[in-house]
Amino acid sequence: QLQLQESGPGLVKPSETLSLTCTVSGGSISSSGYYWGWIRQPPGKGLEWIGSISYSGSTYYNPSLKSRLTISVDTPKKQFSLKLTSVTAADTAVYYCARLPGGETATISYWGQGTLVTVPS
Amino acid sequence: QSVLTQPPSASETPGQRVTISCSGSSSNIGTNTVNWYQQLPGTAPELLIYRNNQRPSGVPDRFSGSKSGTSASLAISGLQSEDEADYYCAAWDDSLNGVVFGGGTKLTVL
Repeated sequence: QLQLQESGPGLVKPSETLSLTCTVSGGSISSSGYYWGWIRQPPGKGLEWIGSISYSGSTYYNPSLKSRLTISVDTPKKQFSLKLTSVTAADTAVYYCARLPGGETATISYWGQGTLVTVPS
Repeated sequence: QSVLTQPPSASETPGQRVTISCSGSSSNIGTNTVNWYQQLPGTAPELLIYRNNQRPSGVPDRFSGSKSGTSASLAISGLQSEDEADYYCAAWDDSLNGVVFGGGTKLTVL
């Protein structure tokens, strides 16, 4: 059974860079066609798609975050990562990593448990 | 402001049927398939319906999805207390070149 686990600091200072890693277990990160993505949810609010990446490095980014965002993949380590620069309190959220069956799809078939990242105001 | 529009709340009594709507546009629901997610309190969302009306393995047939034009609906029949959750619709948006979500509907089982 595929499992995804987010890891990274729970507290990031304003103007600094938020960095998270998702470790994939129970399956291959290099399976053709799959994309690996990030979604976030501010406390008490709805879901926001951040972006996704294929094992070969093709990416889709949320246009509203694109200027601050980098998603990368490390296939030998079975990990993919998120970097969001110049964070503010508005970036406080639970961050989920996920697997999608393709690039241009909103079918998120596997989710990590989520990790809360707080940016104090 | 979410790209897809859902009612913020819905409620119904146990055993009854409830529907949740999701309205979009030609660049998302009008062109691409709709997915629905269930988020139980304090947990990660889970895929409930994909490709408009398909249920993943393990999802009861009490849950059904439909799509017409630029709108979609999730129906839950035989409502149970454990169905109390937040429900989100999502679709790919060709204009934004990304995933768009509805704002979520909080379902209360009275």
